This record gives sequence, structure tokens and C-alpha cells, in this order.
Amino acid sequence: GAVVSQHPSWVICKSGTSVKIECRSLDFQATTMFWYRQFPKQSLMLMATSNEGSKATYEQGVEKDKFLINHASLTLSTLTVTSAHPEDSSFYICSADGQGAYEQYFGPGTRLTVT
Amino acid sequence: KQEVTQIPAALSVPEGENLVLNCSFTDSAIYNLQWFRQDPGKGLTSLLLIQSSQREQTSGRLNASLDKSSGRSTLYIAASQPGDSATYLCAVGLQAGTALIFGKGTTLSVSS
Repeated sequence: GAVVSQHPSWVICKSGTSVKIECRSLDFQATTMFWYRQFPKQSLMLMATSNEGSKATYEQGVEKDKFLINHASLTLSTLTVTSAHPEDSSFYICSADGQGAYEQYFGPGTRLTVT
Repeated sequence: KQEVTQIPAALSVPEGENLVLNCSFTDSAIYNLQWFRQDPGKGLTSLLLIQSSQREQTSGRLNASLDKSSGRSTLYIAASQPGDSATYLCAVGLQAGTALIFGKGTTLSVSS
């Protein structure tokens, strides 16, 4: 089956620093990847859509200069949280759209805690 | 704008009981619908995927149905077990290659 990995699985950083989260499709190529955020006891909310070789499309209310997304290859998308603040603490999940597949495949998520 | 609603928000049942989780969506023009399971602090596990042309899908003790015209889907869990305790999320896809829209989930607790 299609597998999506995320690294790291959890990270603690200090306020003001930047954190990079990687999302990889391990056994398939993903033209499109999606980044979601989930606050405690809330559902997943789409942050941005990442297309290989082009700029990401951000959802309303998501700061593109704060959440930098790069999709440099068909198997890797990265999310960089710049100048992180405690309110950015959340669970970040990526998914990848399998070419020719009907469904999306989700990564295991990254728990970010900003102190 | 598509909205996904899940009722109830929480459900507690004794082991062995059959149960139904409900999901409704406001726009019937969907591409597919997916049910996920999420354990506390963990990622998503895909349970069942129903294409817009399908009416139901089954996997083991799970059965999901889809009624596009009424904007409803149900997830039926037979003979529930304590290991079924988790949050169940319903999500709809509007088109191929677009992000999913999630409901807030139903948190299920099965007691032994």
C-alpha cells in the first residue's frame, strides 16, 4: 500500500525559532500534497495545498510568510514554521494524492510544541 | 461551502453492542467520502473509502453507507470491542486531487 512518512514525529522548540517538517511519499509519486493542522479536540483543518514545482496555495487565514511550504520533488514536501510562537503548537498532518488513485494517503503527523 | 457534521460528538457503549455513527454533508456533489479512525495523539487510519458512484463499502465488522442525495453517510460497527475506542472522522472529497473536508469526529468509548 501507499505509505507517507513525516519527520520528525514530534518536536519541541523555543519561541522565535523555526522548525521544518518533512512529508515524504515512500512508494509513489505525489503531484499534490496537502498540509493540515489539528488543535486539541478539534478536527483537521486544511492549511495549504502543495504542488510539485509551483507555489503552494494557502487557505484563508493562513500566513504564507509564516508557514513556508516547498514541494521540490514528486516525493517530498516540507513545511517550515518560521518564528514559531506557543499558539503554533499543534498537530501537523500531511497527505499525498496518489497519481491515478482515488484516495489520499496520510502521514502519521508531527506534534509541534513551542515553549 | 461544503460543511461536514458528525453526530453524536461522543458515544459510550458496552462491549458487544452494534452501533451507528452518522455523518452529513451540505453539498451532495462529492467525489468520494472516507471514514478514518484516530487514536489519541496519533495520526489517521483510513477505514473505508466510498466513491460517489457507490452505495456502501464493507471491511470486517465495519460497514459504511453513502446516500448522496440526502447528504448522509453512516458507519456501522458490529459487535463493538474495547479496542474500537477511538475518534472516528468522516471526510468528503469534492474533486479528484483536492483536499478533504473533515467533520469534527465522534469519540467512541467501548467499555468491557
